[in-house]
Amino acid sequence: QQQVKQSPQSLIVQKGGISIINCAYENTAFDYFPWYQQFPGKGPALLIAIRPDVSEKKEGRFTISFNKSAKQFSLHIMDSQPGDSATYFCAASMVPQGGKLIFGQGTELSVKP
Amino acid sequence: NAGVTQTPKFRVLKTGQSMTLLCAQDMNHEYMYWYRQDPGMGLRLIHYSVGEGTTAKGEVPDGYNVSRLKKQNFLLGLESAAPSQTSVYFCASSDYRGDYGYTFGSGTRLTVV
Repeated sequence: QQQVKQSPQSLIVQKGGISIINCAYENTAFDYFPWYQQFPGKGPALLIAIRPDVSEKKEGRFTISFNKSAKQFSLHIMDSQPGDSATYFCAASMVPQGGKLIFGQGTELSVKP
Repeated sequence: NAGVTQTPKFRVLKTGQSMTLLCAQDMNHEYMYWYRQDPGMGLRLIHYSVGEGTTAKGEVPDGYNVSRLKKQNFLLGLESAAPSQTSVYFCASSDYRGDYGYTFGSGTRLTVV
C-alpha cells in the first residue's frame, strides 16, 4: 500500500517530441506528489510537484497531470531536448509521516538529436 | 551555500568491516533522510530524522544505524558490512514550508567485497 509504481523503465524520444512518464499509487493518504530529475553522478533534484487538490500543474516545458480517482499521475515533457536526458523519479508522501518520500522505480529518458 | 555534503564519495569495504557515512547540511533544515539507490528499485528510505536527537526507521533499516546529535549532521553507520549493502547512498534534507522539497547530496558509492 506504500508503493509507488512507475513506468516505463526506459524511454527513447526524438528531439522535439513529447516524453510521458506514468506513476500509480495505492495509498489515498498521500498528499504530495513530486518529480525528481537525476543526472549521472549527481543526486536527484526537485523538478516539479503537485498537490491532490489540482489536476494539472505546468512549469515551462514540464507538466504534471493528476487523476485522483484513478490514483495516477504523470509527467509530460514537451519539446524534449537532449539536455533532458536523465533519470526521472516520481514520489509521494504523507504529512503525518515526517515528509518522508516514497519513490517510484525510476525512468531513464534518452532524447535523441 | 554548500547545501547537503556527503563524505566520503567512494568507498570499498571488505565484508564484516564497519564504516560511517557523514551527511552535513547548512540550510537549517529540520528533516534529514538516508536513502539507498539500486538499479530498477528507485530510492528506498533507510532511516530518517524529524529533528535533532530523533531518528526513525524507514523501509529498509536492517544492517544500518543512524545518529543525529547535531541538527546539521546525520550519520549512517554500517556495523558489519555485507555485499548486499553495495549501493549508492544519498542523504537529503527538507523543511516543511508548504511542500517537502528535498535537497539531496551528491551520493556515496559503496562497494562491499
